[in-house]
Amino acid sequence: EVHLVESGGTLVEPGGSLRLSCAASGLTFSGAWMNWVRQAPGKGLEWVGRIKANIHGGSTDYAAPVKGRFTISRDDSKNTMFLQMNSLRADDTAVYYCTTAHLALSDPDSWGQGTLVTVSS
Amino acid sequence: QPVLTQSSSASGSLGSSVTLTCTLSSGPSTYIISWHQQQPGKAPRYLMKVEGSGSYNRGSGVPDRFSGSTSGADRHLTISNLQSEDEADYYCETWDGNTWVFGGGTKVTVL
Repeated sequence: EVHLVESGGTLVEPGGSLRLSCAASGLTFSGAWMNWVRQAPGKGLEWVGRIKANIHGGSTDYAAPVKGRFTISRDDSKNTMFLQMNSLRADDTAVYYCTTAHLALSDPDSWGQGTLVTVSS
Repeated sequence: QPVLTQSSSASGSLGSSVTLTCTLSSGPSTYIISWHQQQPGKAPRYLMKVEGSGSYNRGSGVPDRFSGSTSGADRHLTISNLQSEDEADYYCETWDGNTWVFGGGTKVTVL
């Protein structure tokens, strides 16, 4: 069974930085594409960004609201993905989830339990 | 970039069926859609993927009361024999290889 555990969420001041982690188990992490998804209080789900597996180039793509401020990376030796968040704003306040990003019909996806980031002074 | 549209709410009586629709407003009708359930106060849970042919594949542990289907640009999620624990928000999701997008979600109420 796939298990994803996010960590690192906390209260941070506007303009500050934070790094989230996503520890994965139960899957061949090195071959998995991974997403970050967030959910602001009382709102719907919003895609943040994706990182491909290194065997597919390891490239990243980001949603417009976070492009240039957020960076996704991965350490396959530790089965862990990261989200570096800089220049944080109040509207970045959300629960951040990591998910698998399997493209094939036959491959189910998984979600972590989420970690809360609050941007406030 | 694909755009997904969902009705904001749906409801059904205990034991009845309800069908949710996710409409692709742009992008080819062959897109695969994922459906996710989010019960109140919990993280989302993957339910299934549905492809353009109407084939679908449920995730592990997802009851067979949940089924998927396709009609043109519409992807459907049908919940049969509605149970109280099915009261939740349901989101569809798709991707074009570089970006992912979610629908706005449908809140299902069990009467």
